[in-house]
Amino acid sequence: KQEVTQIPAALSVPEGENLVLNCSFTDSAIYNLQWFRQDPGKGLTSLLLIQSSQREQTSGRLNASLDKSSGRSTLYIAASQPGDSATYLCAVNNQGGKLIFGQGTELSVKP
Amino acid sequence: SAVISQKPSRDICQRGTSLTIQCQVDSQVTMMFWYRQQPGQSLTLIATANQGSEATYESGFVIDKFPISRPNLTFSTLTVSNLSPEDSSIYLCSVGGDGQPQHFGDGTRLSIL
Repeated sequence: KQEVTQIPAALSVPEGENLVLNCSFTDSAIYNLQWFRQDPGKGLTSLLLIQSSQREQTSGRLNASLDKSSGRSTLYIAASQPGDSATYLCAVNNQGGKLIFGQGTELSVKP
Repeated sequence: SAVISQKPSRDICQRGTSLTIQCQVDSQVTMMFWYRQQPGQSLTLIATANQGSEATYESGFVIDKFPISRPNLTFSTLTVSNLSPEDSSIYLCSVGGDGQPQHFGDGTRLSIL
């Protein structure tokens, strides 16, 4: 059974810092992995999708990496801003489009 | 990316009643998914809804409690039946396939009195 773990559960950083969020999964037989952002009281916003054959994806200040063999993914946020404050979720797709989510990392960026 | 509209955005219901949540997509999609997010928790898949077939439920979720309809390729409903306080959650629908990003609606926030 696939299990997804995110570390740390919460993170507080000053504005401008670069930071890394971690995601690990137990079953390496995945189709892809997706990172989401969830603002309080809101739905999920897709940030990046990494296919199983890819090593990384980039969008603006965000870079996500995938090491399928070791069951790990990281989300790197460069030059963090207060507007980046949110909960970040990673989810793996094992089959049929069904996503298995981690518990999320709650990020707070202080001005 | 697909635009997903969910209704209602929130509701407060009495115990023992039912709530039907609607999910409308602005394009035709094969697969639609329903998730639950309990307070302070992450998302858990309830079921996968494909047009023209019965929904496929995950372990711990049953059709009598969470009946789903998928009448066409742009619409689905999830009903939460016989409501109890434990059903207080956010319910979200999503669309996407194996190779494409999944996109979510804004969710329905359900509270039970």
